[in-house]
Amino acid sequence: DADVTQTPRNRITKTGKRIMLECSQTKGHDRMYWYRQDPGLGLRLIYYSFDVKDINKGEISDGYSVSRQAQAKFSLSLESAIPNQTALYFCATSDPSLRDGYTFGSGTRLTVV
Amino acid sequence: EDQVTQSPEALRLQEGESSSLNCSYTVSGLRGLFWYRQDPGKGPEFLFTLYSAGEEKEKERLKATLTKKESFLHITAPKPEDSATYLCAEDTGRRALTFGSGTRLQVQP
Repeated sequence: DADVTQTPRNRITKTGKRIMLECSQTKGHDRMYWYRQDPGLGLRLIYYSFDVKDINKGEISDGYSVSRQAQAKFSLSLESAIPNQTALYFCATSDPSLRDGYTFGSGTRLTVV
Repeated sequence: EDQVTQSPEALRLQEGESSSLNCSYTVSGLRGLFWYRQDPGKGPEFLFTLYSAGEEKEKERLKATLTKKESFLHITAPKPEDSATYLCAEDTGRRALTFGSGTRLQVQP
């Protein structure tokens, strides 16, 4: 099994719909992150969580919300999806030392039509 | 504001043709400089972490180096399987890693 699992892998949704992307990890780390990737823009931070009770906004949090249900689970929601939220979304986890960097999931490709 | 700039955006090499990728980072407060490899449709895969100027790390045909203002990923005698996007990222301790936009490397046989 993968260390970081994201579901779904692909999703097409309509403008205005609420959608949730899920992430679970088996690394036992406290820290989890959500990034989105757009062509030419690299990975941009949406939200991050350093433990279950510590959730922080990243540089592009508008239009998104998160829930840290447990140490291993961190979900991302789009309350009312819009077309410019079409992107590749990645979840990642790390330990505080960052000695081995982040471990990423395989990503969710989201298309908003 | 943390900022990471990578160049070139894209690079095409012939098999065996060595080259280097560049990553410029926020100079003040650097705690770590990271390199990742990303294949199409997959999540980034961790390669190296560098902590201080002068440090070098190697893995197969890849060598990462760090100076006081930039990092280089040197690719020696590349093979087609080295084709991927290479990302660098910095940790300044302020929040989470800040990533550059990547260099798309294509190695032709």
